[in-house]
Amino acid sequence: DQQVKQNSPSLSVQEGRISILNCDYTNSMFDYFLWYKKYPAEGPTFLISISSIKDKNEDGRFTVFLNKSAKHLSLHIVPSQPGDSAVYFCAASAVGNTGKLIFGQGTTLQVKP
Amino acid sequence: NAGVTQTPKFRILKIGQSMTLQCTQDMNHNYMYWYRQDPGMGLKLIYYSVGAGITDKGEVPNGYNVSRSTTEDFPLRLELAAPSQTSVYFCASSPTANYGYTFGSGTRLTVV
Repeated sequence: DQQVKQNSPSLSVQEGRISILNCDYTNSMFDYFLWYKKYPAEGPTFLISISSIKDKNEDGRFTVFLNKSAKHLSLHIVPSQPGDSAVYFCAASAVGNTGKLIFGQGTTLQVKP
Repeated sequence: NAGVTQTPKFRILKIGQSMTLQCTQDMNHNYMYWYRQDPGMGLKLIYYSVGAGITDKGEVPNGYNVSRSTTEDFPLRLELAAPSQTSVYFCASSPTANYGYTFGSGTRLTVV
């Protein structure tokens, strides 16, 4: 039972354009959502997060949108840069869950120069 | 700051052998986690700890054990290694719940 799903295994965009990575979840108890970026042979790096009381959070080129009614979140990267090429994981945690995260399968983003 | 340090980076084990994956953090974080990542999959939680002396099972704990005698260290023990435990193992820490983790660089384990 995949509670957090990233249905696109890969995405390719041109440098300077927008990258949109999507994530769906099924558990209505999730109240905190995060995005991580992972380069090969490295551990994931925390990128941005959003609480369920918000519908948008922005940090520089990265914006996360949350649509609770659709149980959907997305990560927008504008403008995309070649250094953004990596695997992106979305993750979710539920209230009182001591920070335990459920991860999606990941989406590989390639930004072409 | 070193952050989260995992050793070893690579290891090949024979079926039935045992080993301990080491994880140390120097950020005084209370929360620590062990995840495994199989090819093409997301990370799955093995065990976690909310403070020294407190540990609990995650989603996939079978075949593993942990201890947390200090705030800094959270070793993961594999007893009787099986091919199904071939994976990349990541240790992570955070100061509180609902806070972005700091991950280690991982241990790639192959069981043959």
